[in-house]
Amino acid sequence: TQLLEQSPQFLSIQEGENLTVYCNSSSVFSSLQWYRQEPGEGPVLLVTVVTGGEVKKLKRLTFQFGDARKDSSLHITAAQPGDTGLYLCAGEGTYKYIFGTGTRLKVLA
Amino acid sequence: SAVISQKPSRDICQRGTSLTIQCQVDSQVTMMFWYRQQPGQSLTLIATANQGSEATYESGFVIDKFPISRPNLTFSTLTVSNMSPEDSSIYLCSVWLPNTEAFFGQGTRLTVV
Repeated sequence: TQLLEQSPQFLSIQEGENLTVYCNSSSVFSSLQWYRQEPGEGPVLLVTVVTGGEVKKLKRLTFQFGDARKDSSLHITAAQPGDTGLYLCAGEGTYKYIFGTGTRLKVLA
Repeated sequence: SAVISQKPSRDICQRGTSLTIQCQVDSQVTMMFWYRQQPGQSLTLIATANQGSEATYESGFVIDKFPISRPNLTFSTLTVSNMSPEDSSIYLCSVWLPNTEAFFGQGTRLTVV
């Protein structure tokens, strides 16, 4: 069974701080994705990482795919209240998406 | 991309009754997915709805409790049957375009009283 474990589960930080969210699996994925979900909405794709070791940047967000394609990380620099939400990593399983356990981020002004 | 319309957006239901949630996609897709989500937590896959065949249910979910219809490639319904307070949750439909991304409806927030 393919599982994606995220850590931490919950993070509350002050505006301006940096943070890193981890997504780990014992399985190899051809790609991993990161989604952000805000209350009352469905998850929305942030990025897809495909190549082992790949690093992608989206403004203050930096995503990395592990060399062995079993893990990924999301680093946020100078977090802002608008970054508040639920962050989910996801990978393609057999005919379905496997979603991570989720990280709830709250950024305080 | 895909745009998904899901309704109702929320409902409060009496225990023992049933609620049918509708999901309409603006393009034809092979597979549609139904998820359950507790607020602030990750998604739990209920079943995969395939057009022209019975839905495939995940462990812990059964057809009698969560019957699904998939009459065509753009529409699906999920019914939550004989509801109890434990069924209170957010229900999301989703489509997955392989090698791209998953798209979601806005969700149905169900409260069973």
